[in-house]
Formats: sequence, C-alpha cells, structure tokens
Amino acid sequence: NAGVTQTPKFQVLKTGQSMTLQCAQDMNHEYMSWYRQDPGMGLRLIHYSVGAGITDQGEVPNGYNVSRSTTEDFPLRLLSAAPSQTSVYFCASSWGNTIYFGEGSWLTVV
Amino acid sequence: SQQGEEDPQALSIQEGENATMNCSYKTSINNLQWYRQNSGRGLVHLILIRSNEREKHSGRLRVTLDTSKKSSSLLITASRAADTASYFCATDAEGGSEKLVFGKGTKLTVNP
Repeated sequence: NAGVTQTPKFQVLKTGQSMTLQCAQDMNHEYMSWYRQDPGMGLRLIHYSVGAGITDQGEVPNGYNVSRSTTEDFPLRLLSAAPSQTSVYFCASSWGNTIYFGEGSWLTVV
Repeated sequence: SQQGEEDPQALSIQEGENATMNCSYKTSINNLQWYRQNSGRGLVHLILIRSNEREKHSGRLRVTLDTSKKSSSLLITASRAADTASYFCATDAEGGSEKLVFGKGTKLTVNP
C-alpha cells in the first residue's frame, strides 16, 4: 500500500517556468489537499478537493492551479514560477478524520 | 491565517524527561489534531481530540483540550532521542479534514 505518493521530490526551476507536482493516492479517499510549508511556519493550504471534478481554493492559491479528474490524482500546477514559490509542498488525502501526507516535494525557484 | 499557535517555538530536554507543548487557536473547532514531522519528512498523525473530549491518551502521549480557553497541550512522557522532531497542532475550524489549519510548530530536541 503506497499511501500518498508525490513526485518529484526535488526540483529547481527558473523564474517564469511552469511545472506540475504530481500527487497520487491509492486509498480511494475523496478528500485531497495541497499545502506549502515555509521555514519556521506550519502548513498553509493552497487548494483542496472533496471529490473528482470538485476543487476549491485554500489560504494561498495565487499562482497555482489544480484539477481532479480522477479520485486518485490531484496535480498541482505552477503557472509561472516565482522565487516566492520556493517552498516544500505536501499533498494529503483524507477520509473522515484520518489524514495521510506525502513525503513532500522540495521546490526551489531561482 | 494561522489558527493554531504552538508554544514554545523550541524545546530542548534530556532523555527521560517529559515534554509539554501548547497550542492556542482562535475560533470554534470540531476537533484538534497533533502531528509530528521529522526533519526532511512528511507529517505523521499522532492523535485527534474532539471538541467534546477533555483528555486523550495514546501510549506515551497525553493530549488535553480546553475549549473555554481555546487551547490544547501535548505531553510526551519519558522522552527518547527518537522523539526529536517538530510537532504541529491542526484544527478543522474552516471545514473538515480537507481544510486543516496548522500552527507554526514546536521544535523538540531530546538529548541522549
């Protein structure tokens, strides 16, 4: 049972480039979320989804897009990377109050 | 917005001692959760306490919740070097488990 899988684990981008962080879960969870974590901070919610075809914005959505075409996958797209998006990104899936996090994706924008 | 605020920001203790971390939050909640994050890793769920519960135990962990003060505490008894990690509280004040609001965390160091 893989749980929540994020790829890539590390990525360096140049300002203005676009990329997609992949997130997949094999637990058939309806809820999935993306958070970012900055130094000395907790996690802040970027986007979330309560089921296939349904997404909504969290606390810090600007500069990011998501889609949820299947229950399993919830990719996060950076449209035009900025240095302020240098962060660690965590994907999570949940059912009720049971929440599982991926191992994180370290993104550096130069 | 940061719903939970942990206190202290950093805590250093010796193995065998108890570690207490506190979390305060601002609005009404359905439940509060504590997570652990080892350096460079994802978050691991430790324990959940519902708003109608006052205390909960899980192994060496003891969590209390005071909804009148909007605060929670996490006690780790007989700490071990392996407990070294950052600990975060998270609340569901803005929805369900898909919309958790995290505090900034307490960095715990347990010295052998």
